[in-house]
Amino acid sequence: EAQVTQNPRYLITVTGKKLTVTCSQNMNHEYMSWYRQDPGLGLRQIYYSMNVEVTDKGDVPEGYKVSRKEKRNFPLILESPSPNQTSLYFCASSFTGRAGELFFGEGSRLTVL
Amino acid sequence: GEDVEQSLFLSVREGDSSVINCTYTDSSSTYLYWYKQEPGAGLQLLTYIFSNMDMKQDQRLTVLLNKKDKHLSLRIADTQTGDSAIYFCAESPGSSNTGKLIFGQGTTLQVKP
Repeated sequence: EAQVTQNPRYLITVTGKKLTVTCSQNMNHEYMSWYRQDPGLGLRQIYYSMNVEVTDKGDVPEGYKVSRKEKRNFPLILESPSPNQTSLYFCASSFTGRAGELFFGEGSRLTVL
Repeated sequence: GEDVEQSLFLSVREGDSSVINCTYTDSSSTYLYWYKQEPGAGLQLLTYIFSNMDMKQDQRLTVLLNKKDKHLSLRIADTQTGDSAIYFCAESPGSSNTGKLIFGQGTTLQVKP
């Protein structure tokens, strides 16, 4: 089954404790992206990757890092989480030529105390 | 800058038609999209329309595009309780070659039996 898998789905952590949210897709998509969803703000792009070893900042990259060492994986790293990073995070992927036709993961709800 | 606006809430009765509206700012957007988010799930692409089209119909869904007014609408005929979800409008900015989508805030559709 074609899917984008995120882990963990739910996480409560404390300020400053490094964490990684993993994302994996099985559709051989070149393009992958991370979004955060906050009430009243819709989805905002954090980082994106056009292909392996090619990553770039989205609209709200501060406090986040990503890597793309393999085509299927695109982890999101919070080196020192802060409460303003409490949010619902989505990973998405697509073929480069059809970048708007995104496949989304089920989301990771992160709470930073 | 690029911006997408939607009303936040719509309530209809089962069997009625629903119309969800969206305005966008980037006149060079090549594609416009509608995504659906069911409770606890990621976003799912519903439909999209190319900017040189006025209308697109897909079963119970009709998308209307008024490019002059930068207005997009999604009509759901014979709305069912299973249509209750958040609907996001998104544009693919023409100035961007990164595959980035700009999402609206989302419209929560409540369908009453």
